Amino acid sequence: GQQLNQSPQSMFIQEGEDVSMNCTSSSIFNTWLWYKQDPGEGPVLLIALYKAGELTSNGRLTAQFGITRKDSFLNISASIPSDVGIYFCAGPPIWETSGSRLTFGEGTQLTVNP
Amino acid sequence: EADIYQTPRYLVIGTGKKITLECSQTMGHDKMYWYQQDPGMELHLIHYSYGVNSTEKGDLSSESTVSRIRTEHFPLTLESARPSHTSQYLCASRADRAYGYTFGSGTRLTVV
Repeated sequence: GQQLNQSPQSMFIQEGEDVSMNCTSSSIFNTWLWYKQDPGEGPVLLIALYKAGELTSNGRLTAQFGITRKDSFLNISASIPSDVGIYFCAGPPIWETSGSRLTFGEGTQLTVNP
Repeated sequence: EADIYQTPRYLVIGTGKKITLECSQTMGHDKMYWYQQDPGMELHLIHYSYGVNSTEKGDLSSESTVSRIRTEHFPLTLESARPSHTSQYLCASRADRAYGYTFGSGTRLTVV
């Protein structure tokens, strides 16, 4: 199936630092989703993007839908310890006509040191 | 509070046992999914369903089976568990007009 290449695979940062991660694909996506998975839990939807160029914020999180429709990035500003977790990008590839099956990136493991 | 429930949260069983992982949702979603997540983090789709009596295999081959007799219930069964089945299993559902999935908290299965 279509792959989403997510980077970096892991990040170790100090509390208060800003974080940036991105997701790229060789195919076009019509929707980009960003999820966070806390340790021992299932992923939770953070931000959904539906239009190329769209920039959306959710508190300290900001995500953008790339102009080419083949990439997206997620920024976290002023990180705090509870930001720890795995962040996934996801989307229904354009060939998934029903839009019912999501493709997930490999995940970015974020560690925040107090 | 969760609208999609997975039980048990943790399970340790012996090789050769038959097990069923339960997943129920109260949102009336037609589309439901099972993912397997290894310590390497990646989510692998193993089964999905678009409604009652509809089940399909996902991208990752799995020895498990699923059933969808009721909209709200999507159990996953392993007829004979093996150590290679040790993993985190995540259930998800989705509304028809939304792309985002709602995930359960997962079942962490260990086969010894």
